[in-house]
Amino acid sequence: GAGVSQSPRYKVAKRGQDVALRCDPISGHVSLFWYQQALGQGPEFLTYFQNEAQLDKSGLPSDRFFAERPEGSVSTLKIQRTQQEDSAVYLCASSLQGSLSETQYFGPGTRLLVL
Amino acid sequence: GQQLNQSPQSMFIQEGEDVSMNCTSSSIFNTWLWYKQDPGEGPVLLIALYKAGELTSNGRLTAQFGITRKDSFLNISASIPSDVGIYFCAGRPSGTYKYIFGTGTRLKVLA
Repeated sequence: GAGVSQSPRYKVAKRGQDVALRCDPISGHVSLFWYQQALGQGPEFLTYFQNEAQLDKSGLPSDRFFAERPEGSVSTLKIQRTQQEDSAVYLCASSLQGSLSETQYFGPGTRLLVL
Repeated sequence: GQQLNQSPQSMFIQEGEDVSMNCTSSSIFNTWLWYKQDPGEGPVLLIALYKAGELTSNGRLTAQFGITRKDSFLNISASIPSDVGIYFCAGRPSGTYKYIFGTGTRLKVLA
């Protein structure tokens, strides 16, 4: 596709509900990143995939957060038993090859509100 | 989580003025990126810097990778109303794939 797409764009969840956020990276991009952006803050790294391998998940805030990319393209970020502090924009980014000089291109984000 | 120090936090300027913002880190970075984010959208890449001392331009934008590898600045010349938005710096520590973002500079341009 022309760019990184994310769905849904908006999600309202009741506290305790599970949610799944989807990311479609740019076609052919090897690397995929998930970030969390709280209101008024910069994005914060959550996790990184190279193809289907999750190489870094050091930014996931708790074991309620889980990400997967089973076929090396589409990725899903799942949040179990959502809490109010999970309310944020979740951004996905992809890059072409995954080398250390590659730059990332972001999707529009999913805005999650937990009530 | 860790975020880079970015200044100023916000600024109001007149159309046509030049703008300068910077980003500092306590750690050495191998890559610096500058992004612009409009409300309701994801960040859009403006300039990428890969070498210490590198100076790169993109239209009215100029950015530099500090020689200490701990800072970067972004200049916007002759600002126009569509420059309004939030500008983020992002740096990548050596040997990692993840980027650490700054706290953002909110720019408002007065016509």
